[in-house]
Amino acid sequence: AQSVTQLDSQVPVFEEAPVELRCNYSSSVSVYLFWYVQYPNQGLQLLLKYLSGSTLVKGINGFEAEFNKSQTSFHLRKPSVHISDTAEYFCAVSVARIQGAQKLVFGQGTRLTINP
Amino acid sequence: EAGVAQSPRYKIIEKRQSVAFWCNPISGHATLYWYQQILGQGPKLLIQFQNNGVVDDSQLPKDRFSAERLKGVDSTLKIQPAKLEDSAVYLCASSLDRNREGAKNIQYFGAGTRLSVL
Repeated sequence: AQSVTQLDSQVPVFEEAPVELRCNYSSSVSVYLFWYVQYPNQGLQLLLKYLSGSTLVKGINGFEAEFNKSQTSFHLRKPSVHISDTAEYFCAVSVARIQGAQKLVFGQGTRLTINP
Repeated sequence: EAGVAQSPRYKIIEKRQSVAFWCNPISGHATLYWYQQILGQGPKLLIQFQNNGVVDDSQLPKDRFSAERLKGVDSTLKIQPAKLEDSAVYLCASSLDRNREGAKNIQYFGAGTRLSVL
């Protein structure tokens, strides 16, 4: 069965500093990987996704992530964070079904707090 | 385009009462999902519909939870009777899934319904 582990439950960072949110997954088959962001009292919004091709993927709001198959990781990074990046971040792995519909398995989430 | 709509946004009930949540997915999206998100955890899939058929309800507590998607569009999730541990945010999501590469599809989420059971 697929699973996702987010290694840090909370990450405090100062504004304009770089940040990395760590994500490891386990799967016996090829995977598709996603990062979602959840702002307070809102639903989840897609940040970026890895489907195939280049292992470095760029998303919205200046975020990027690198797929590392040998280390089964998909860490999220941003070179300089802003106060508005304060949110909960979820890593997810996608599982293909026979009927073609998708199932997402989420990690526990990482709360990113940006301090001025 | 309009996003996934959910109502109500907040609901407070006492244990053993009943509650229902409503979801209207993005127009044309074949697949609809209901997730339960307990505070401090990631979303957990409760039930998944493809059009109006159930694809996966393996994690739905069927003794108290039920869901339907009539006509393959709107969906309702019901809890009867509610327990204290049902306090959570209930998220609805939808995706296109009109091809055989469904695993690549993006899920679009509503804002959720925050349920407090007292």
